Amino acid sequence: GDSVTQMEGPVTLSEEAFLTINCTYTATGYPSLFWYVQYPGEGLQLLLKATKADDKGSNKGFEATYRKETTSFHLEKGSVQVSDSAVYFCALKVRVRNKLVFGAGTILRVKS
Amino acid sequence: NAGVTQTPKFQVLKTGQSMTLQCAQDMNHNSMYWYRQDPGMGLRLIYYSASEGTTDKGEVPNGYNVSRLNKREFSLRLESAAPSQTSVYFCASSEYSPTGSYEQYFGPGTRLTVT
Repeated sequence: GDSVTQMEGPVTLSEEAFLTINCTYTATGYPSLFWYVQYPGEGLQLLLKATKADDKGSNKGFEATYRKETTSFHLEKGSVQVSDSAVYFCALKVRVRNKLVFGAGTILRVKS
Repeated sequence: NAGVTQTPKFQVLKTGQSMTLQCAQDMNHNSMYWYRQDPGMGLRLIYYSASEGTTDKGEVPNGYNVSRLNKREFSLRLESAAPSQTSVYFCASSEYSPTGSYEQYFGPGTRLTVT
């Protein structure tokens, strides 16, 4: 079945460090891929998405590139801030199904 | 424009009690969802409703029932709460796009504890 695997956390970084959170997927067909962010005490918000191979999604300094050959969608940011501390979820949507499949989530903690 | 709203925000139940979690969206979306979030397990789909008048089971439907009351509202009922249902519950809505342009919008969540 369809599934998403994310790197385990928590990930702890100092402010201005480089961030990578790995995400790989298994899916039939050609899924759309998403990163959602959950700030403490809140619901999930879409951070970025990509709908086809080689697409790059970007938002708020975060980027992720849809790599079909490695079935990956790794999240990166060049310089993290304390305000980026949150839980990050990778997710996929298979084209013919109106549902998302989520990874387990990765906690990011950024220290000042 | 409130987006997706959920009530209540917090609830404590005793084993065997029943309750209904309410969800409403004002974005005129056809599809609505209920998830539960547990540590280390991400979000798991309980039930979803592709359109008004239809509901389908998700990954973990046992112990829950849902009602799609109208296009705006989608409620989740626990008939006889169990400690294993202690979790954070999220409602979401989305609009289907055949081209793949798609986003789910989430409510703020309900934190439920069953003792």
